Amino acid sequence: AQSVTQLDSHVSVSEGTPVLLRCNYSSSYSPSLFWYVQHPNKGLQLLLKYTSAATLVKGINGFEAEFKKSETSFHLTKPSAHMSDAAEYFCVVSDRRGGYQKVTFGIGTKLQVIP
Amino acid sequence: DVKVTQSSRYLVKRTGEKVFLECVQDMDHENMFWYRQDPGLGLRLIYFSYDVKMKEKGDIPEGYSVSREKKERFSLILESASTNQTSMYLCASSFFDREYQPQHFGDGTRLSIL
Repeated sequence: AQSVTQLDSHVSVSEGTPVLLRCNYSSSYSPSLFWYVQHPNKGLQLLLKYTSAATLVKGINGFEAEFKKSETSFHLTKPSAHMSDAAEYFCVVSDRRGGYQKVTFGIGTKLQVIP
Repeated sequence: DVKVTQSSRYLVKRTGEKVFLECVQDMDHENMFWYRQDPGLGLRLIYFSYDVKMKEKGDIPEGYSVSREKKERFSLILESASTNQTSMYLCASSFFDREYQPQHFGDGTRLSIL
């Protein structure tokens, strides 16, 4: 079975402090993992992806994520939050079964950045 | 840059109407997807298509149908709109044979059924 759990529905940080958004997944196959960001009234934009190469993945806007197979985790981090990071973030798992791409989204984490 | 364009950003319709949501992508992607997004529920897959004239049900297909007559265009149809179909609808596309490639999303259509 394929599933994604985002452990926090809301995270609040002060500007300039680190960001940690947590994600755990399960998959019976070798999955790909993604993080997307969604700003209000916009579609989802890809932040970064893991596809079985390096376990530490760097994305856009200073975000990175580490794939830990033993912990089935793919947490998103950023050293220093910026006001423009306030948005909703989705962790996504993708694998291939029956010839089709199967994709499951987490329910999202809303990041608030306090000035 | 991949561009996925949804025909309307905001749409207001009445109960019982037949509603069409259109999506066009310009990257020659084989896969196209329709999701609905509701607070606290994340994105839920309604239908997807992996080729022209092909369609597969997602997790919540009831009350919806789709059409894919051309590779670049994927339409979502609400046969008889109901108030519980008020939602944000997101279209996405991706390559078929590259499951490690991400989906690319449109900006969404916020649909209200009165």
